[in-house]
Amino acid sequence: GAVVSQHPSWVICKSGTSVKIECRSLDFQATTMFWYRQFPKQSLMLMATSNEGSKATYEQGVEKDKFLINHASLTLSTLTVTSAHPEDSSFYICSATEGLSYEQYFGPGTRLTVT
Amino acid sequence: QQQVKQSPQSLIVQKGGIPIINCAYENTAFDYFPWYQQFPGKGPALLIAIRPDVSEKKEGRFTISFNKSAKQFSLHIMDSQPGDSATYFCAARKNSGYALNFGKGTSLLVTP
Repeated sequence: GAVVSQHPSWVICKSGTSVKIECRSLDFQATTMFWYRQFPKQSLMLMATSNEGSKATYEQGVEKDKFLINHASLTLSTLTVTSAHPEDSSFYICSATEGLSYEQYFGPGTRLTVT
Repeated sequence: QQQVKQSPQSLIVQKGGIPIINCAYENTAFDYFPWYQQFPGKGPALLIAIRPDVSEKKEGRFTISFNKSAKQFSLHIMDSQPGDSATYFCAARKNSGYALNFGKGTSLLVTP
């Protein structure tokens, strides 16, 4: 089946620093990737949608200058949290689809803690 | 605005029981309805999905029932096991390239 990986699985950083999270599709070409964040015991909240080679489309209320998304290839998307604050601490999950396929596959998530 | 409404919020059943989780939607443009299972600290895993041209789909112990006129769909877990204890999310989407709209999730506990 389709596999999506994320790296790192967890990261701790200090306030004011930046952290990059990678999302890779291992056995398919991810033409569209999505980034979500999830707070404890809550649903997934879409942050942005990105198509390979194009700028990401951000959801209302998500700061594009703070959450930088790059989808430079068909197998890799990155999310960079810039100038991180403790309120950015969350579980970040990426997902990907291939072409016109309906199935959307999720990565294992990255737990970010900002101290 | 929550485009997909999910209930119940939590559910406890005994082993062997059949938990049923319900979802409702308003947007008639939705044409793909998946269910995801999520364990603590893990990403959601696709369980089963249905398109609106069928009323039921079964995969192993998991069944989706779909009522297009009522704009509702539900997940049934047959012969539930303690290992099924997890959070279940329903979702809906317009077509490929669009993001999923998730329900708020149902926390299922299957007791031995």
